[in-house]
Amino acid sequence: AQRVTQPEKLLSVFKGAPVELKCNYSYSGSPELFWYVQYSRQRLQLLLRHISRESIKGFTADLNKGETSFHLKKPFAQEEDSAMYYCALNPSGGYNKLIFGAGTRLAVHP
Amino acid sequence: DTAVSQTPKYLVTQMGNDKSIKCEQNLGHDTMYWYKQDSKKFLKIMFSYNNKELIINETVPNRFSPKSPDKAHLNLHINSLELGDSAVYFCASSQTGGNSPLHFGNGTRLTVT
Repeated sequence: AQRVTQPEKLLSVFKGAPVELKCNYSYSGSPELFWYVQYSRQRLQLLLRHISRESIKGFTADLNKGETSFHLKKPFAQEEDSAMYYCALNPSGGYNKLIFGAGTRLAVHP
Repeated sequence: DTAVSQTPKYLVTQMGNDKSIKCEQNLGHDTMYWYKQDSKKFLKIMFSYNNKELIINETVPNRFSPKSPDKAHLNLHINSLELGDSAVYFCASSQTGGNSPLHFGNGTRLTVT
């Protein structure tokens, strides 16, 4: 079955500490993976996608097919990074049929 | 302001009633979606329309009926509301293509009493 697992509901760190938000997926084909973020009182929005191999707001995510993971990392967390983060998998190629994980709330303390 | 807008923001109603949620996007996208977020924060796709044509229809009770009068609008009508329908419903839009980012509305919190 196609599934996205985010094992942590809450990740609490201090400002300046490294952050890793875990995401594992279950999919037999070639996956398209994304991270979406929802800041307080804002709408859910795309943070980054694996195909772009980009760094957004200091965050990166590398697709590891051997471990079926797409963990989100940032070397030094900032208070403004506090938000809800969702990992998502698109299994259907042509159309967006995103399968979301349950989300991880990141809380960055001063 | 270019965005995906959905109304109402909050909807409280009794079991058995029929209600609608409206969604509009002015981003020029040709694909629109409805997602449901349950109490455990899981986001699950319900429907998707591409140029007014239904392309994704997940296992959703037929009490839920989407309607797309044009590619900028996708409304969700729910008949005979049940307690289990209580959730946050998100509308989204994108260009066609698996890697096109979804642009979400702010959500409609539906509470069925």
